[in-house]
Amino acid sequence: DTAVSQTPKYLVTQMGNDKSIKCEQNLGHDTMYWYKQDSKKFLKIMFSYNNKELIINETVPNRFSPKSPDKAHLNLHINSLELGDSAVYFCASRATGYNQPQHFGDGTRLSIL
Amino acid sequence: DAKTTQPPSMDCAEGRAANLPCNHSTISGNEYVYWYRQIHSQGPQYIIHGLKNNETNEMASLIITEDRKSSTLILPHATLRDTAVYYCIVSGYSTLTFGKGTMLLVSP
Repeated sequence: DTAVSQTPKYLVTQMGNDKSIKCEQNLGHDTMYWYKQDSKKFLKIMFSYNNKELIINETVPNRFSPKSPDKAHLNLHINSLELGDSAVYFCASRATGYNQPQHFGDGTRLSIL
Repeated sequence: DAKTTQPPSMDCAEGRAANLPCNHSTISGNEYVYWYRQIHSQGPQYIIHGLKNNETNEMASLIITEDRKSSTLILPHATLRDTAVYYCIVSGYSTLTFGKGTMLLVSP
């Protein structure tokens, strides 16, 4: 069973469109994250949610809106897609506790035409 | 900015031990050292973490110096499937800041 699963795996769309990426974890974790990995391969935190509440928002344009319907899901909606949004987006989760590691999904590769 | 320094790349022969160094001279007392790796086109995979004692699990060993300013990840018997980018991360509570990591190439 996949612990952290993301859909879709690949997403190709045109500039200006709105799209969503879904993330689900079956680990019973309380905290979930979205990361962005750009073409230079740097992984950067975007958002973090704990028990459905936003706790980290790292200077991300407000075109990006995370939504957590329950603590097992953290979806990412992106409005008015731009060329610079092309990247791989990773979802992660972790259990409550000071030194608990994060577990990552396999990513969603977003390509903007 | 990442608080760690790692060599950009390393080579290792299959079956030999791979020793990946990491410097983290500004580490705080309550920060852990985490190691993750990213195999091409996959999500980062957790390997191991520690505070000040050496740690071992089924994947690797982590050796942390007494002053905690550096550490070494040891893969005891590297295989071709261990070829990946390895990230050493210093973190307090929750946020992970990824640097450039070390590209480990395991060759036959």
